[in-house]
Amino acid sequence: SQQGEEDPQALSIQEGENATMNCSYKTSINNLQWYRQNSGRGLVHLILIRSNEREKHSGRLRVTLDTSKKSSSLLITASRAADTASYFCATDRAMDSNYQLIWGAGTKLIIKP
Amino acid sequence: EAQVTQNPRYLITVTGKKLTVTCSQNMNHEYMSWYRQDPGLGLRQIYYSMNVEVTDKGDVPEGYKVSRKEKRNFPLILESPSPNQTSLYFCASSEKGGSPLHFGNGTRLTVT
Repeated sequence: SQQGEEDPQALSIQEGENATMNCSYKTSINNLQWYRQNSGRGLVHLILIRSNEREKHSGRLRVTLDTSKKSSSLLITASRAADTASYFCATDRAMDSNYQLIWGAGTKLIIKP
Repeated sequence: EAQVTQNPRYLITVTGKKLTVTCSQNMNHEYMSWYRQDPGLGLRQIYYSMNVEVTDKGDVPEGYKVSRKEKRNFPLILESPSPNQTSLYFCASSEKGGSPLHFGNGTRLTVT
């Protein structure tokens, strides 16, 4: 079943601009993760943010988490052509003991040179 | 190099012909999982394993089998493939349940 939903479904911006993607979920979580997928390849883990954290940074990536709104955002600053990819959020469910991740359908990001 | 290795990368088969997709990880991870990815549906979990000899159904287990006899290997078996199992399949592993996942490069399966 789908828990995370990314918004927008697709985003096209100029190189150098910032890109923001959002993820909403339905149930209480332990943590939320963001992954990147380049065209048909395996997903690559970007950031994990725990439910008691509000913001996390990694290089040009900034993730925020608002548990009251059950939403998260991924900001990529100073975008590059190499950032062109699909981005997925994945959440667990706090009441589950099996750590099963629930995935959204992803945001397709295109960086125009 | 730490990695998850899936084989084959591409597979075309016919309905009913049993097949196995192999998955191996060299990171001594406890947790392993199989996903399928279909356009517009995101990733859906097929089966997962919390440790050796422990496997559980994910969201879409019908038509699939798995085994975890050794920590490093987690093969996906399709006993009688059908066209609706045409998909892109990913194996993933993590240190333990809830930890960040490492993904293989995928297996694109076509069942005619």
